[in-house]
Amino acid sequence: NAGVTQTPKFQVLKTGQSMTLQCAQDMNHEYMSWYRQDPGMGLRLIHYSVGAGITDQGEVPNGYNVSRSTTEDFPLRLLSAAPSQTSVYFCASNARGGTDTQYFGPGTRLTVL
Amino acid sequence: RKEVEQDPGPFNVPEGATVAFNCTYSNSASQSFFWYRQDCRKEPKLLMSVYSSGNEDGRFTAQLNRASQYISLLIRDSKLSDSATYLCGRNTGFQKLVFGTGTRLLVSP
Repeated sequence: NAGVTQTPKFQVLKTGQSMTLQCAQDMNHEYMSWYRQDPGMGLRLIHYSVGAGITDQGEVPNGYNVSRSTTEDFPLRLLSAAPSQTSVYFCASNARGGTDTQYFGPGTRLTVL
Repeated sequence: RKEVEQDPGPFNVPEGATVAFNCTYSNSASQSFFWYRQDCRKEPKLLMSVYSSGNEDGRFTAQLNRASQYISLLIRDSKLSDSATYLCGRNTGFQKLVFGTGTRLLVSP
C-alpha cells in the first residue's frame, strides 16, 4: 500500500491563480482531512470528509473548496491564491470510528507570491 | 485562548536524560487525547494515544489529568533519534482532531 499520497510536493503560485492539490489514499478509509501547518500555529483543519459525497468545513475553510466523489480521492482547490495561503498542506485519512490514528501524506509546500 | 497549548521549546537534553512535556487543553468535554511525532519537513505520525489510566510504550509514558486539564509525555533514556517535534492534541470525535503547535526536542550527544 502506498498509504496517503499528495501531489505536487512543491508549488509556487502568483496571487490570484487557482490550483488543485491532489490527495489519494489506498487504505479504503472513510475519513479524509486537509490541514495547513504554519509556524507558531500548528496544524489547522481546513475541510474534512466522512465519506464519498460528504464534506464539511474545519477551522479555516475560507478560500478553499473540496469535493469527495470517490473514497480514494480528496482534492483541495484554491480558488484565487493569496499570500496568506503560503503554507505546508497535509492530507490525512483514518478509518471510521474517530480513531486517533490519522495517516498523513508527505505534504505540499505552497508559496504564493 | 487556544484549545490546546504547548510550550514550543526547544527542550535541549543530553542523551540518556529523562524529559517531560505538558500540554493543556481548554475543552473539558474532550473525548480523547494523543501525541504525534513530527520530524523536520516530514508528516506527523501517531506516537501514542492517551488514556485516562495512562499508558506506556517502551521509553514513552503518557498521562492524562482531567481535573487539571492537561496531558503529559515522559521520555526516558533519551536517544538522538528522539529529536523531533511532538504534537499533542485532542479528538473531538467525528474526525475533528485539534492539535497544539508542537514542542521541539533536541537530544545531543
